[in-house]
Amino acid sequence: ETGVTQSPTHLIKTRGQQVTLRCSSQSGHNTVSWYQQALGQGPQFIFQYYREEENGRGNFPPRFSGLQFPNYSSELNVNALELDDSALYLCASSVRQSMNTEAFFGQGTRLTVV
Amino acid sequence: AQKITQTQPGMFVQEKEAVTLDCTYDTSDPSYGLFWYKQPSSGEMIFLIYQGSYDQQNATEGRYSLNFQKARKSANLVISASQLGDSAMYFCAMRDRLGAGGTSYGKLTFGQGTILTVHP
Repeated sequence: ETGVTQSPTHLIKTRGQQVTLRCSSQSGHNTVSWYQQALGQGPQFIFQYYREEENGRGNFPPRFSGLQFPNYSSELNVNALELDDSALYLCASSVRQSMNTEAFFGQGTRLTVV
Repeated sequence: AQKITQTQPGMFVQEKEAVTLDCTYDTSDPSYGLFWYKQPSSGEMIFLIYQGSYDQQNATEGRYSLNFQKARKSANLVISASQLGDSAMYFCAMRDRLGAGGTSYGKLTFGQGTILTVHP
């Protein structure tokens, strides 16, 4: 176990709705990243938070937004859900932002948009 | 742009044999880190091994070793003595800077993955 927990594990939403996914980082980790993994694909970087500030973002529209709290837990919010948002969403935490930093992943939230 | 290529969608290996999973990468930054992760059907990414761009020796972690050929921009994973529990999806990933000339490293760029099946 990595110590990173995500909730919920599974979720079904309707197109147009909004969803919030949650991540509890490993103790002492101040950096959290979110990834979207479509079926049969590698994870795609959504964004990263460091000490409650977003400091990196991938090619995702503004309807993907996030928060990091003082205890370093994090949320991913997606507005106006589209069918293509159906994917496994992975959260990863790390203790710092250096080149060799290992990222510890949660088990993911599987989102289905119908 | 940074890119990771895994050209083997699926690989099969006999139990106790060795197997090599291929990975090539592309980046213009001289500083980067290369990672291999294992993803079982449960979904969680499990860290296997790391190689830094300035490391002189190939990384090893138990049954895992990384064949790092910097000039060819390849970082192949070698799994020795395969076990049935090694059956999973394997991803090669690269960590690089968040911005040009920056000092913070952030995102991991992943390849498409290789599904490894170990036969008894």
